[in-house]
Amino acid sequence: EDQVTQSPEALRLQEGESSSLNCSYTVSGLRGLFWYRQDPGKGPEFLFTLYSAGEEKEKERLKATLTKKESFLHITAPKPEDSATYLCAGRLNRDDKIIFGKGTRLHILP
Amino acid sequence: GAGVSQSPSNKVTEKGKDVELRCDPISGHTALYWYRQSLGQGLEFLIYFQGNSAPDKSGLPSDRFSAERTGGSVSTLTIQRTQQEDSAVYLCASSMNLLQPQHFGDGTRLSIL
Repeated sequence: EDQVTQSPEALRLQEGESSSLNCSYTVSGLRGLFWYRQDPGKGPEFLFTLYSAGEEKEKERLKATLTKKESFLHITAPKPEDSATYLCAGRLNRDDKIIFGKGTRLHILP
Repeated sequence: GAGVSQSPSNKVTEKGKDVELRCDPISGHTALYWYRQSLGQGLEFLIYFQGNSAPDKSGLPSDRFSAERTGGSVSTLTIQRTQQEDSAVYLCASSMNLLQPQHFGDGTRLSIL
């Protein structure tokens, strides 16, 4: 069964405390791995797309990496405004369906 | 430069009624997607359109759900004979094509009494 699993479900960090969020996937043929940020009451906001193992993308304090089995979203020296739910999703090669993980709720304490 | 627009933003209706949710994608985006997000759950993929065609409707939860897209633009998701388990946020997204990132609207929060 195609699955995308995110961990941890929730994470509380002090401002400036770096950490990583995990997204592991078991899909039969991945055609892109996506990271989104979602604030309460809003739709997800696109962050990154990764296509092949070894690929890395960066944006401000965020860096996304991809291996053959998982992706990481590294957050360096986070600020309170980075608090949000972070979602990852995989697009299936065979039918272009997109499977989302349940997300990691990140809370950065000032 | 408007983003994806969904209406209504909130809908409260009685069990058994039909509801219609609307999505206006970003102009020029050929791909359009519908998702459902329930409390504590991830986004559930419902259906996508490439142009006006929906290649695979198997993600729709039941035959009470239907979706259409006209003119390669606006899409409507219709739920007939609503049930309480249909209560959720329904999100729409669009992208330039199937390979490009999706841009989401802020959703329609549907509550079935």
